[in-house]
Amino acid sequence: DTAVSQTPKYLVTQMGNDKSIKCEQNLGHDTMYWYKQDSKKFLKIMFSYNNKELIINETVPNRFSPKSPDKAHLNLHINSLELGDSAVYFCASSPIYEQETQYFGPGTRLLVL
Amino acid sequence: QKEVEQDPGPLSVPEGAIVSLNCTYSNSAFQYFMWYRQYSRKGPELLMYTYSSGNKEDGRFTAQVDKSSKYISLFIRDSQPSDSATYLCAMSVTRPGANNLFFGTGTRLTVIP
Repeated sequence: DTAVSQTPKYLVTQMGNDKSIKCEQNLGHDTMYWYKQDSKKFLKIMFSYNNKELIINETVPNRFSPKSPDKAHLNLHINSLELGDSAVYFCASSPIYEQETQYFGPGTRLLVL
Repeated sequence: QKEVEQDPGPLSVPEGAIVSLNCTYSNSAFQYFMWYRQYSRKGPELLMYTYSSGNKEDGRFTAQVDKSSKYISLFIRDSQPSDSATYLCAMSVTRPGANNLFFGTGTRLTVIP
């Protein structure tokens, strides 16, 4: 009964490839997020999305795109992977009117070789 | 200058000690302040959330916000080995979203039995 789940847990791939990370939440939340945490543990929000609005952090390259097939899922697609994309990616969700109360997934460790 | 500064530690304390974790920030418009706890290889979990200035207490945890000094603190009383984790502060101007949520780098805490 995991609240926020992500797959895969680990992802090792070559530079230039395209990959996706999946996220699902069973909390009934309206808003979902993607975060990147680098090797120094610095956590940066990348996107927030509800069924009406996608908000993109302006520092995120357009090689990254979130896609939401339904309210419970927000997948992250990454095109033309670069070495600097190696990080842990966290999905999170929250109620739309309590965006300070976010529940995080376990993370996907991406290594680009 | 980073928006949010946090001493990365590591910080080691004996069991039962009072722990003080701190963040400073530069943007006086921040109004929402959060503390997250992140265990190794897990996603962050929200510990405390405060709006504007003042104190908030929850069990052994107390969050303080001093907007005049642009300084926030998290105190942990009677620290336990299970408190060993990385603690991240986060803050935003309006309700947290993709373009306005800023995290500190996290302080790694170890409580020694």
